[in-house]
Parts: sequence; C-alpha cells; structure tokens
Amino acid sequence: QVHLVESGGGVVQPGKSLRLSCAASGFTFSTYAMHWVRQAPGKGPEWVAIISHDGSDKKYADSVKGRFTISRDNSNNTLYLQMDTLRTEDSALYSCAREGFRYGGSSWFDPWGQGTLVTVSS
Amino acid sequence: DIQMTQSPSSLSASIGDRVTITCRASQGISTWLAWYQKKPETVPKALIYATSRLQDGVPSRFSGSGSGTEFTLTITSLQPEDFATYYCQQYDSDPFTFGGGTKVEIK
Repeated sequence: QVHLVESGGGVVQPGKSLRLSCAASGFTFSTYAMHWVRQAPGKGPEWVAIISHDGSDKKYADSVKGRFTISRDNSNNTLYLQMDTLRTEDSALYSCAREGFRYGGSSWFDPWGQGTLVTVSS
Repeated sequence: DIQMTQSPSSLSASIGDRVTITCRASQGISTWLAWYQKKPETVPKALIYATSRLQDGVPSRFSGSGSGTEFTLTITSLQPEDFATYYCQQYDSDPFTFGGGTKVEIK
C-alpha cells in the first residue's frame, strides 16, 4: 500500500526557515515524480513544486520561486522541501503527493500524504 | 497561468439526485484534467484523471467528460458518502492549477 508521511511542520516567525520531509513507502519511489501541494484553511489546494523521478528537473509556483527548494533522496525514499524566507501567506497544510504514473508527464496527484501544518506568525 | 473556474461554488442535493459540476479552463488543456474529492479533516482524493478515467476503486456513479476548455463531473445517484468538496485541476502545463471548489451539501 502506498504511504506518504510528512514531518517537519511547526510554528515559525516570518523570515525564518523550515525543512519538510516526506517518507514514502509501498512503491518504487525512484520511478515517480513527486510534488508538494499546500492548502490554507478555507482555501483550495495550491501546487507548490515538482521534482522529476531522478531529481534532474524541478519547477516551482511563482509564489515560492527563489525561496523554496524541492529535493529528494531516492536511496532513502524521502522527499524534501526547504522553505526559506517564510511569509505569513505561506501558512498552510503541506502535503507531498505522488504523480499519477511513473516517469512523469502525468501531473495529477495520487495519493496525497496527510500533511504537516506550517504556521508563519510573529 | 491557466485559470480554472468551477461552478457552482456550492449546491444542495438529496440522496439519489444527479449532480453536475462544471469546470472551465482559461485556455485549452486538451483532456489534461483531474477531479478530486475532499472531505473535512482529510486531504483530497483523486477520483478522475485524463478528464474521464476513473481512478482505481472509485464508484462508477462518478463520471467525467469534456475537452479543451469545458469539463464536467457528474454523480449519477448521490450517496451519503459523496457529500464533500470537489476540485478540478489542470495538468496541461505548470503551474498546475486548481479550481475554487464545489461544496456538495445535503438538502
């Protein structure tokens, strides 16, 4: 069974950093592109970033470009999101999500992890 | 960026009703569209991808159609477990964008 478990969220002041992790199991992690998606309370989901199956290609939403960095460790089946210079508007539940099919080109999300909550507040 | 617009934003329906939700893209996305169901205190679950293909385990009362800029999600006979918020998402090009959601409530 596919399982995605996020960690690393918390309360942080504006301008500070956090690093999120997503531990994957139940599938061949190294063959799937992976995403981070966030959802603020009362709002719809917002795609944040994608990394290709081998880590060679990364893309970001404009709202986080230059501040967030997505990475992965295929030897440990783990996805990361380094979040720097955090803003209050980054407060949300952050979920990692697997792409629909192997090797990319199918950027719909299934499954999603249960998420880790990030709150940016002074 | 491709903007996704869902309508209605909410609807009230009874058990057994046929429900249709519309999603419009600001530019053509072929059939690169997915639908998700989200219930309170949970994360979204994929229902449909490629406009009309049911994800494994999704009941056949759910169906999707459309192409280009206009798409629909239909639930043919609403069940108690279907009361939730539904989102469309385009994956024609990044940034991958979602609609604003349609909340399906009990009448």
